[in-house]
Amino acid sequence: GAGVSQSPSNKVTEKGKDVELRCDPISGHTALYWYRQSLGQGLEFLIYFQGNSAPDKSGLPSDRFSAERTGGSVSTLTIQRTQQEDSAVYLCASSLWTSSYNEQFFGPGTRLTVL
Amino acid sequence: DQQVKQNSPSLSVQEGRISILNCDYTNSMFDYFLWYKKYPAEGPTFLISISSIKDKNEDGRFTVFLNKSAKHLSLHIVPSQPGDSAVYFCAARGDDRGGSEKLVFGKGTKLTVNP
Repeated sequence: GAGVSQSPSNKVTEKGKDVELRCDPISGHTALYWYRQSLGQGLEFLIYFQGNSAPDKSGLPSDRFSAERTGGSVSTLTIQRTQQEDSAVYLCASSLWTSSYNEQFFGPGTRLTVL
Repeated sequence: DQQVKQNSPSLSVQEGRISILNCDYTNSMFDYFLWYKKYPAEGPTFLISISSIKDKNEDGRFTVFLNKSAKHLSLHIVPSQPGDSAVYFCAARGDDRGGSEKLVFGKGTKLTVNP
């Protein structure tokens, strides 16, 4: 089947505008993660959804960042009042949920540029 | 404070020789370690993993070694091939609360295998 898909692949916006990034996980995967990679940095965890449990939001850098996962499938990451330091590649991953380690499958990412 | 460190931003080796990529971590609560490979404009793809209760895991040309006392792991690629040229990320699972599925990533090492 299809892998994780993300849209748009590239987004250029002006400082102060809001943006929405979309993630379609692999069908049947109950866990969904958002990470971001800033220039020259590793991947930074943002938020994690697992089934109907409350999401782990511990990685969100500020209250301008929020995410939703509707119907246990598609997720949207919203950044309000974007700042230049928000420029990064935003990566989504999904995984099955079992009792052992669950490999995370990544999408190609959305490159966000805030001017 | 970086919990997962990859101190070599780049590595260049000749085709057929061994590539050794290193990773150090600081958090003794990490219970699972992974290596991901990333090509430009693509999401990371899982390569190999190791549980904290083991010291070695091998999969074809790829072997990961874990030294818990030194909080150090390494990825060996033998023999190296030009197609292995990519950025390699070391990642670890688990945090102080335990049971978390989120991954903590290093900054990556860019491997170049020369023909």
